[in-house]
Amino acid sequence: DTGVSQDPRHKITKRGQNVTFRCDPISEHNRLYWYRQTLGQGPEFLTYFQNEAQLEKSRLLSDRFSAERPKGSFSTLEIQRTEQGDSAMYLCASSSSRAVLTNEKLFFGSGTQLSVL
Amino acid sequence: DAKTTQPPSMDCAEGRAANLPCNHSTISGNEYVYWYRQIHSQGPQYIIHGLKNNETNEMASLIITEDRKSSTLILPHATLRDTAVYYCIVRENTNAGKSTFGDGTTLTVKP
Repeated sequence: DTGVSQDPRHKITKRGQNVTFRCDPISEHNRLYWYRQTLGQGPEFLTYFQNEAQLEKSRLLSDRFSAERPKGSFSTLEIQRTEQGDSAMYLCASSSSRAVLTNEKLFFGSGTQLSVL
Repeated sequence: DAKTTQPPSMDCAEGRAANLPCNHSTISGNEYVYWYRQIHSQGPQYIIHGLKNNETNEMASLIITEDRKSSTLILPHATLRDTAVYYCIVRENTNAGKSTFGDGTTLTVKP
């Protein structure tokens, strides 16, 4: 169990640029989540995959945001035309499908800190 | 989905028990209570969860009231490394599998 890995750890970009983050979940975990966290607040749910299927997207996920998990393993989160309001920590979490949803532990990565200048 | 209420901050002396309260008065019968913590610059870390009965593991104990409207996370012998934001979550009973985090309690353990 090597843990959930996220890359890059930090990203600084200029407004209007596109950015992409990667998440490698714990192997054998088929559920993968993306959250966003701004300073002083708790993480906010963005989207959720079971295997390669994206099962839910939050209203926070505007059309500039897209997430993929093409082979049911790693996932990418892309933000197009970044805005200063996108500055936040983007967290990825994974969990095992053997757990029923109300009895499920999430394992989080250390996040990608995005700063939009 | 049930919402939780936690005090924004608490202090605890090193070596003493830290008791972190959480109110979840609208919890439904099949929803679990989860606790996570987040140390600065890291992702949240799972601590413990429970449904009705009290639970204990190597990290903490969870006490859930009989009516399930509140719970307390107990760190029996707090250390400086326990300084973190602690989140109490009631897990949504939907197929979405998402967790709704509030703003948590910032616990500061002091020497």
